[in-house]
Amino acid sequence: QVQLQESGPGLVKPSGTLSLTCAVSGGSISSSNWWSWVRQPPGKGLEWVGEIFHSGSSNYNPSLKSRLTISVDKTKNQFSLKLSSVTAADTAVYYCARYSFAYGFDYWGQGTLVTVSS
Amino acid sequence: DVQMTQSPSSLSASIGDRVTITCRASQGISNFLAWFQQKPGKAPKSLIYAVSSLQSGVPSRFSGSASGTDFTLTISSLQPEDFATYYCQQYYSYPRTFGQGTKVEIK
Repeated sequence: QVQLQESGPGLVKPSGTLSLTCAVSGGSISSSNWWSWVRQPPGKGLEWVGEIFHSGSSNYNPSLKSRLTISVDKTKNQFSLKLSSVTAADTAVYYCARYSFAYGFDYWGQGTLVTVSS
Repeated sequence: DVQMTQSPSSLSASIGDRVTITCRASQGISNFLAWFQQKPGKAPKSLIYAVSSLQSGVPSRFSGSASGTDFTLTISSLQPEDFATYYCQQYYSYPRTFGQGTKVEIK
């Protein structure tokens, strides 16, 4: 059973950089799946942030692309998100998820709330 | 971007009711349509992928269908554990996009 676990600071200052890591267990990050980030502002809907393949290939939401970097660490079986120049609008629960060609977005982490505030 | 328009935004239903939620894509997305269930404070749970395929362990009272760019999630007999918010998602093109959600409440 694949499990994903997000970790990172819960509070980030405006104009700072939001950094999160998603640890994958029960499966290899080098499998034929894409590893994704999805966020949800408090009380609102879901927004796809971006994804990465173990090769390093990535796809980003154009609305965030200029501020976003997603990377993968195969040695640690984890992937990470960095979002720069954050504002209050980036306050959200951030989820990591696995995208499988066969089964869609089938496994999700529990989510971590990141608040942007001084 | 492909816009996913979900309706209704909320509904009230009773245990045992048949519930239908619809999602319209702004352009063709083939069969790359998924449905998720989300309960308060929890991560989304994948219910259906590829329009009508149930994820492992999902009860058979959930079903999905499509007609062109209109997609439907049906709960045949609503159970107490089904009260939640439901989202559709297209994964045909980038960026992946979600519907705005449908909150299913107890009548």
